[in-house]
Amino acid sequence: GQQVMQIPQYQHVQEGEDFTTYCNSSTTLSNIQWYKQRPGGHPVFLIQLVKSGEVKKQKRLTFQFGEAKKNSSLHITATQTTDVGTYFCAGEFYGQNFVFGPGTRLSVLP
Amino acid sequence: GAVVSQHPSWVICKSGTSVKIECRSLDFQATTMFWYRQFPKQSLMLMATSNEGSKATYEQGVEKDKFLINHASLTLSTLTVTSAHPEDSSFYICSAQNGRGYNEQFFGPGTRLTVL
Repeated sequence: GQQVMQIPQYQHVQEGEDFTTYCNSSTTLSNIQWYKQRPGGHPVFLIQLVKSGEVKKQKRLTFQFGEAKKNSSLHITATQTTDVGTYFCAGEFYGQNFVFGPGTRLSVLP
Repeated sequence: GAVVSQHPSWVICKSGTSVKIECRSLDFQATTMFWYRQFPKQSLMLMATSNEGSKATYEQGVEKDKFLINHASLTLSTLTVTSAHPEDSSFYICSAQNGRGYNEQFFGPGTRLTVL
């Protein structure tokens, strides 16, 4: 079946440092979504990217969709302790359901 | 808006018994509902997709007779774990789509199942 990979699996950063997680698919995606799951919580939708090369920003978060629509990234500038959690990408393959990546667990040390 | 509830939030049962988990969209009609299983510190494993009034579509490797899904209405889907065994212990989480906007998935809070 279709697979979506994510790296790194874990990331520990000092508060104030930047953080990036990468999402990759071997097959072209129709679109990609990003979710955040806080410890002990459930995934919450952050954003969807549809267009090739698309870049969207939400305050300190920057989301990018690759030109070939096979990869995406989430970059957090100047992390804060409230950014702690697991970030999942979910790729939609044409005509199919979304496939979630394994997630990147972010720890922010104060 | 777009709130999804799950009941119960946690359940402990004996091996061999069946457990029913409810997933409700509280303020919208869900065109599609999904059931996931999540192991500690791991990703979401899609078990099945259900649409109201039709049979659920199960992912490869998921036993249909063990994990019974009923999508009775546009706001309610149930997952029944039949003859539960300790290896079925996990975090079960549902999500729902309302077919609008980004068509994102709104997740329920999850149900922690422990089978003794």
